[in-house]
Amino acid sequence: KAGVTQTPRYLIKTRGQQVTLSCSPISGHRSVSWYQQTPGQGLQFLFEYFSETQRNKGNFPGRFSGRQFSNSRSEMNVSTLELGDSALYLCASSLRGQGQKETQYFGPGTRLLVL
Amino acid sequence: DQQVKQNSPSLSVQEGRISILNCDYTNSMFDYFLWYKKYPAEGPTFLISISSIKDKNEDGRFTVFLNKSAKHLSLHIVPSQPGDSAVYFCAAAGSGSARQLTFGSGTQLTVLP
Repeated sequence: KAGVTQTPRYLIKTRGQQVTLSCSPISGHRSVSWYQQTPGQGLQFLFEYFSETQRNKGNFPGRFSGRQFSNSRSEMNVSTLELGDSALYLCASSLRGQGQKETQYFGPGTRLLVL
Repeated sequence: DQQVKQNSPSLSVQEGRISILNCDYTNSMFDYFLWYKKYPAEGPTFLISISSIKDKNEDGRFTVFLNKSAKHLSLHIVPSQPGDSAVYFCAAAGSGSARQLTFGSGTQLTVLP
């Protein structure tokens, strides 16, 4: 079974631009969660999508948004990029979603650099 | 407010010896705990998990211990191998308002040959 895939792997943008990141979960998984990892920080939870609905949201500004399609693929969008948005963005998929005592499987991440 | 804390940013261990990574949590609603390993330029890889109904779970060289009264868990790796060198994250989740997986800041383990 193929793992979680994320595209693109690397991205360079400038302040004020917007960016869209994509995540394809493991086949059959309906939950996709997004995380931001910055140097010295753990993984900060952004949001979770399950069956095309946002089920849970972390403490990030409204510039961060996402969506999920009927095939469970998910996209994350960041508008009006700031220097502090430079980070590794990870998505993780699971069968039944957060709170179900199951493992989340991570993709390789998208490294975003904002100049 | 960090609900999951890994107070040691780094740990060095000799090959063949035991590595002990520690994690503390503050939210009493957490009842499921996981350890992930992360290499540079890769996503975290699941290692081992434990439910709050148990106090120990073992998988090969990896054992996780949970002390609920102290709100503390630890990961033991025996024997440590150079390939174990990575960043280790502990994570916790529960139900209700604690359902989202919450991660610690990670511990860089270096196993010296």
